[in-house]
Order: sequence, then structure tokens, then C-alpha cells
Amino acid sequence: NAGVTQTPKFRVLKTGQSMTLLCAQDMNHEYMYWYRQDPGMGLRLIHYSVGEGTTAKGEVPDGYNVSRLKKQNFLLGLESAAPSQTSVYFCASSFEGGGTEAFFGQGTRLTVV
Amino acid sequence: KNEVEQSPQNLTAQEGEFITINCSYSVGISALHWLQQHPGGGIVSLFMLSSGKKKHGRLIATINIQEKHSSLHITASHPRDSAVYICAVAAGDSGYALNFGKGTSLLVTP
Repeated sequence: NAGVTQTPKFRVLKTGQSMTLLCAQDMNHEYMYWYRQDPGMGLRLIHYSVGEGTTAKGEVPDGYNVSRLKKQNFLLGLESAAPSQTSVYFCASSFEGGGTEAFFGQGTRLTVV
Repeated sequence: KNEVEQSPQNLTAQEGEFITINCSYSVGISALHWLQQHPGGGIVSLFMLSSGKKKHGRLIATINIQEKHSSLHITASHPRDSAVYICAVAAGDSGYALNFGKGTSLLVTP
């Protein structure tokens, strides 16, 4: 049972490049989230999904897009990377939102130069 | 947005000491989570609370809904407990995503 798997684990991008982060969960969870973690700050919500085919904006959505075409996968895209997007990105999933246990991926460390 | 405050920000303890980390939040919640993050590592759920108290091994978590306050206690601390401990609360909006505190960095020395 893999839980929540994020790929890649590390990536370095040049300003203006694009990339997609993949989050996959095998627990049949409805709710999936993308967060970013920056020094001195708590994790902040980028986008979330409450079921297959649905997505919504979180606290810091600018510069990111997401898709949830399959229930088990939640993709985070950066169309034109900026240095301000240098961060550690975490995907999380839960069965019914914040009132149920949250499972996190191992994180993706992204550096934009 | 539910503001989540943790204290202390940093904590150093000697092996065997009893440790308390505090968390307070600003508005009513459906659940409060305590999470653990080792350096360079992922985030692991320790507890999810909506009332009362939970215990798992040497870890105890309590919550006072009226006071909007929770504590995480570690008894007989060990160097392997060194990690960042994060408090998070479930909001009623944003798909019940979590609002996170900034974390408490704990170092337990032998």
C-alpha cells in the first residue's frame, strides 16, 4: 500500500519553463490537496479537489493550474515558472476532508533559477 | 481564515524530559491535527482530535474546544523525537483543507 506518491522528488527549472507535478493516491480518497511550504511559514493551500473532475482555488493559486481527470491522480502544473515558486510542494489526500485523517506525499523540492 | 498559533517556535530538551507543545486557533473547527515532519522528510499524521484526549505510545494530545487550544505532550523524550511538530485545523471552507501553524522545531539531545 503506497499511500500518497509524488513525482518528481526534486527538480530545478529555469525561469519561464513549465512542468507538471504528479500526485497519486491508492486509498480511494475523494479529497486531494496541493500545498506549498516555505521557510518561516505554515503550509499554504494552492488548489484542491473534492472529487474526480472537480478543482478549486486555495489561498495561493496564482501561477498554478491543476487537473483531476482520474480519482487517484491530482496534477499540479506550472506554466511559466518564476523564482517565487521555489518551494517544497506537498500533496495530501483524505477520505472526507479535514475531519478525517490526512495522508501526505513525501514532497517535491522545486528550485526555479 | 482560521489563524493557528504554535508555541514555542523552537524547543531543545534533554533525553527523558517531558515536552509540551501548544496550539491555539481563532475560530471554531471540525477537527485539529497534529503532524510530524522530520528534516528533509515527509509529513506524517500523529493525531486527529475533535474533543478530549488521545494517546499513542509516549505521545498524548489534548484539546479544549471552549478555549480553542490544544497541546501535544511527549513523555520520556528521545533523540528520535527530534522533528518539527505541526498543528493544523480543518476549516469549513476550501474543501475542508487544513490551516497550518508554522510548526515547532524540537531537538532532543542525548
